[in-house]
Amino acid sequence: DTAVSQTPKYLVTQMGNDKSIKCEQNLGHDTMYWYKQDSKKFLKIMFSYNNKELIINETVPNRFSPKSPDKAHLNLHINSLELGDSAVYFCASSDETWDLTIYFGEGSWLTVV
Amino acid sequence: AQTVTQSQPEMSVQEAETVTLSCTYDTSESDYYLFWYKQPPSRQMILVIRQEAYKQQNATENRFSVNFQKAAKSFSLKISDSQLGDAAMYFCAQACPQTGANNLFFGTGTRLTVIP
Repeated sequence: DTAVSQTPKYLVTQMGNDKSIKCEQNLGHDTMYWYKQDSKKFLKIMFSYNNKELIINETVPNRFSPKSPDKAHLNLHINSLELGDSAVYFCASSDETWDLTIYFGEGSWLTVV
Repeated sequence: AQTVTQSQPEMSVQEAETVTLSCTYDTSESDYYLFWYKQPPSRQMILVIRQEAYKQQNATENRFSVNFQKAAKSFSLKISDSQLGDAAMYFCAQACPQTGANNLFFGTGTRLTVIP
């Protein structure tokens, strides 16, 4: 029973397309995140939502838009995909009332061709 | 701003031996948490161990332990009795509590190879 699940795991798409990655957590956490891991394996936060409210919004192109319909879901929509968007995108969640441990999903490997 | 530095891009260890991965960090905060995450070839980020900065005792999880030197801002990971399944990228990370969310700062990772 996966705690943080994201779909799809693999996505190959052409430049200029629009795509979405979905994420769901069943841990009852209030906070969810999107992290990006580039080709050099460097991980960096993109967005964070707490109870559907945007908390962290790092400097990312506005082609990236997160959406949180409820506190258990955080989706990432990407418009007009570019070659440089190719990366692994990780969804994660944490419980602010307990500890700071962030639990990650399995990642979604996006390849833009 | 917080920074996390892992100065060893690659390390190797013989199976059953002990290896130590280094990590240093820089923060002006007094309240923070430190983590080691493991990323095997499957790419999933798996929490290995966690240390709260206010705790003086070093965290231990089975074969994994840390050497937390707060004054030196050092947080190394020791893996004892290394197993083939320990081969992975290891990321050191730091988080400071913020209202509503936490920003986890990662190092650049150390690739650990376990030699049979």
